[in-house]
Amino acid sequence: KQEVTQIPAALSVPEGENLVLNCSFTDSAIYNLQWFRQDPGKGLTSLLLIQSSQREQTSGRLNASLDKSSGRSTLYIAASQPGDSATYLCAVRKAGNMLTFGGGTRLMVKP
Amino acid sequence: NAGVMQNPRHLVRRRGQEARLRCSPMKGHSHVYWYRQLPEEGLKFMVYLQKENIIDESGMPKERFSAEFPKEGPSILRIQQVVRGDSAAYFCASSSFDGGFTDTQYFGPGTRLTVL
Repeated sequence: KQEVTQIPAALSVPEGENLVLNCSFTDSAIYNLQWFRQDPGKGLTSLLLIQSSQREQTSGRLNASLDKSSGRSTLYIAASQPGDSATYLCAVRKAGNMLTFGGGTRLMVKP
Repeated sequence: NAGVMQNPRHLVRRRGQEARLRCSPMKGHSHVYWYRQLPEEGLKFMVYLQKENIIDESGMPKERFSAEFPKEGPSILRIQQVVRGDSAAYFCASSSFDGGFTDTQYFGPGTRLTVL
């Protein structure tokens, strides 16, 4: 059974800092891994999707890496801003299509 | 191209009543997924449907919960005889499912169910 863990559960940083969010999964037989952002009381916004054959994906100030063999992914956020404050979720997809989510990291970026 | 639509956004029910949650997938998407987010917990998969078919309901509670995705109209998640423990945010996602590794699920805004 696939289990996904995110560390830390919560993170508070001053504006401008670069930061790394971690995601680990127990079963490396995945199709892809997605990072999502969830604002309080809102739905999920997809940030980045990394296919199992890829090592990283970049979008603006975000960079996500994937090491399938070790069951790890990181989300790197450069030059953090208060608007980045949200909960960040990683999810892995195996054959069968369902996503298995981690518990999320609650990020607070202080002005 | 409108995104995934869910309604109602907020639903209040008393214990024992029925709750019906609706999801309209993105245009051109024929695959729908329901997830539940309990308070202070992560999202958990419930059920995966295609038009007129349930593909995987391994995450669905065995009693009181049912889901459908008819040929016409939205997907419906139905909870009978609700209990306080059903209070949660219910998210729907859809995909076109090209079968490939880049298949992406797009999420709706969720329905927040409160059981009094």
